[in-house]
Amino acid sequence: DTAVSQTPKYLVTQMGNDKSIKCEQNLGHDTMYWYKQDSKKFLKIMFSYNNKELIINETVPNRFSPKSPDKAHLNLHINSLELGDSAVYFCASSQDSRAGGNEETQYFGPGTRLLVL
Amino acid sequence: DAKTTQPNSMESNEEEPVHLPCNHSTISGTDYIHWYRQLPSQGPEYVIHGLTSNVNNRMASLAIAEDRKSSTLILHRATLRDAAVYYCILRLMNYGGSQGNLIFGKGTKLSVKP
Repeated sequence: DTAVSQTPKYLVTQMGNDKSIKCEQNLGHDTMYWYKQDSKKFLKIMFSYNNKELIINETVPNRFSPKSPDKAHLNLHINSLELGDSAVYFCASSQDSRAGGNEETQYFGPGTRLLVL
Repeated sequence: DAKTTQPNSMESNEEEPVHLPCNHSTISGTDYIHWYRQLPSQGPEYVIHGLTSNVNNRMASLAIAEDRKSSTLILHRATLRDAAVYYCILRLMNYGGSQGNLIFGKGTKLSVKP
């Protein structure tokens, strides 16, 4: 059983299209995250949700919109895709983002490799 | 979050111990020291964390300097599977606005030779 799963694993699309990436965790965690890893391999937080509520929204274009239908899912919708959106997107979850100890250990999904042509 | 400094890369031989250093001279008293690693083409993976005392788990050991300005991740017997980028990250114990996000630096790329 995969703890944090993402679909699709690979996504190739044209500029201007709208696409979604799905994330699900079966760990019963309260907090979920989206990270972006660019071509230089830097990992950067994009969004964080705690119990379906947005708690972090770093400086990302508003073309990116996270949606959390329930606390086990955090989907990422991207409008009007641009070449610079090409990256690997990682979803993660943790039990509690505020405790500072074991509860905030983050578990990452396998990543979605997005290529915009 | 406080900044950490790690070497860009390190090499090790298989079945030998590896000591991965991390400097965090601006660490505050409430910062936990976390280590994650990222194997090729995979998501980051939690390794270990600690606050003041040395820590051991099945993956690694974490040695924390007495002044907490540096720490060392110890892999007791490196295997080929340990080849990865290792990230040292500081996290606040009680959050104000940081809300749990991990701030990844460049990390140390560990190569393991057979």
